[in-house]
Amino acid sequence: LAKTTQPISMDSYEGQEVNITCSHNNIATNDYITWYQQFPSQGPRFIIQGYKTKVTNEVASLFIPADRKSSTLSLPRVSLSDTAVYYCLVAYNTDKLIFGTGTRLQVFP
Amino acid sequence: KAGVTQTPRYLIKTRGQQVTLSCSPISGHRSVSWYQQTPGQGLQFLFEYFSETQRNKGNFPGRFSGRQFSNSRSEMNVSTLELGDSALYLCASSFKMDTNTEAFFGQGTRLTVV
Repeated sequence: LAKTTQPISMDSYEGQEVNITCSHNNIATNDYITWYQQFPSQGPRFIIQGYKTKVTNEVASLFIPADRKSSTLSLPRVSLSDTAVYYCLVAYNTDKLIFGTGTRLQVFP
Repeated sequence: KAGVTQTPRYLIKTRGQQVTLSCSPISGHRSVSWYQQTPGQGLQFLFEYFSETQRNKGNFPGRFSGRQFSNSRSEMNVSTLELGDSALYLCASSFKMDTNTEAFFGQGTRLTVV
C-alpha cells in the first residue's frame, strides 16, 4: 500500500536550519519527489522538486538517498515567515499522486 | 500573469444537493488536477484532466466527477452531498500532464455541507 509519511510537527528558532523528512517506500522508478508549502487559507506553493541525490534552489535543498525511499527538505536559516505546513508529494507508478501527511513547522523568534 | 482562479471561494450546501466548482488555470497550462483537503485525511488527489480528457483518478466515489473544456478551464461536480464532503477543494494547473512538472495551486473553494 503506497504511503507517504512525515513528522506531524517541528519547532525551530529563527536562523536555524530545519530538515523535514518524508518516507515513501513504494515510489516508482521514474517519479519525482515534490515539496510544497502551505499557509492558512491558501493553496500549496511549490518549493522544490528532485529525483535523486541533491537539488538546491534559492529557498531550499532536497536530499534524496540512493534507494529513494525517503527524502529530506532542508530550509537554511529559517525566519518567522517560514511558519507553515510542508507537504511532500510523490507519484506512485505515475497514476497515484499521494501527498504526505504534512509537517507543521513553527518558527520562534 | 494571473494565477489559478477558483470560484466560488466559499460555499454552503445542504445534504443531498449537488455542487459545481470552477477552476481557471494559468494561461497556457493544459493540465488541471483537483484535490480535497480535510483535517482528518489531509490532501487527497481527486483527478487530473489534460486536453479535455480525464487522465488519472484518485480513490473517490462516482459522486465526484469533473470535466475540462477546450480552453482548459475545469469544473468539478459532487452529487448527493454528504456531511463528510465538507472540505477545501483545491485545483492545480501545470503546463503539461507530468508528475515532474511544477503545479500551481489556486486558493481553493471551501465547501461546507450542512
